[in-house]
Amino acid sequence: RKEVEQDPGPFNVPEGATVAFNCTYSNSASQSFFWYRQDCRKEPKLLMSVYSSGNEDGRFTAQLNRASQYISLLIRDSKLSDSATYLCVVIPNDYKLSFGAGTTVTVRA
Amino acid sequence: DAGVIQSPRHEVTEMGQEVTLRCKPISGHNSLFWYRQTMMRGLELLIYFNNNVPIDDSGMPEDRFSAKMPNASFSTLKIQPSEPRDSAVYFCASSLGQGGRQFFGPGTRLTVL
Repeated sequence: RKEVEQDPGPFNVPEGATVAFNCTYSNSASQSFFWYRQDCRKEPKLLMSVYSSGNEDGRFTAQLNRASQYISLLIRDSKLSDSATYLCVVIPNDYKLSFGAGTTVTVRA
Repeated sequence: DAGVIQSPRHEVTEMGQEVTLRCKPISGHNSLFWYRQTMMRGLELLIYFNNNVPIDDSGMPEDRFSAKMPNASFSTLKIQPSEPRDSAVYFCASSLGQGGRQFFGPGTRLTVL
């Protein structure tokens, strides 16, 4: 079983829609969780950290469910510029980031 | 404010040739990571340095791959001899502290013919 698994999508949504997707992780001892964004042919960039209590950053909301070992990302009022691949990242130990394969989101006009 | 710098941005070489990828981390960062990204395997950590010392090279695929960090501002990833299956995008990332936020360079797109 992979350490981090994501639905690859693609999720095709119209502008203004809400889109949400999950990521599951296998190591129950994992302590740190992140969402990274990767645009086509670019490097991954940190979108947001995921905290136990859930957190928001503008139109983006991240949730952590330790019992079921998954994290989620919700994008409200989606913009064309939100089109990207979203990478789920779990840190099972001090430094080693485990990346999911990514969920592709395409926002259409 | 310069981010992580990688060179070359693109490399096309023939099977059997030596390839050297270069990385300059963000000034002041003491942790450096080399990753490889392919469609099939996604992003994989190859090796991690802390304070110029290799800490974890368990992700290095085989002996053809080697990495060095001679000082705090420079690292290389070498493949010798290169093979077509090494074709991928190689990212370097740096962070302040081993658990700090990692900043990625723009990557080197390697094609081995």
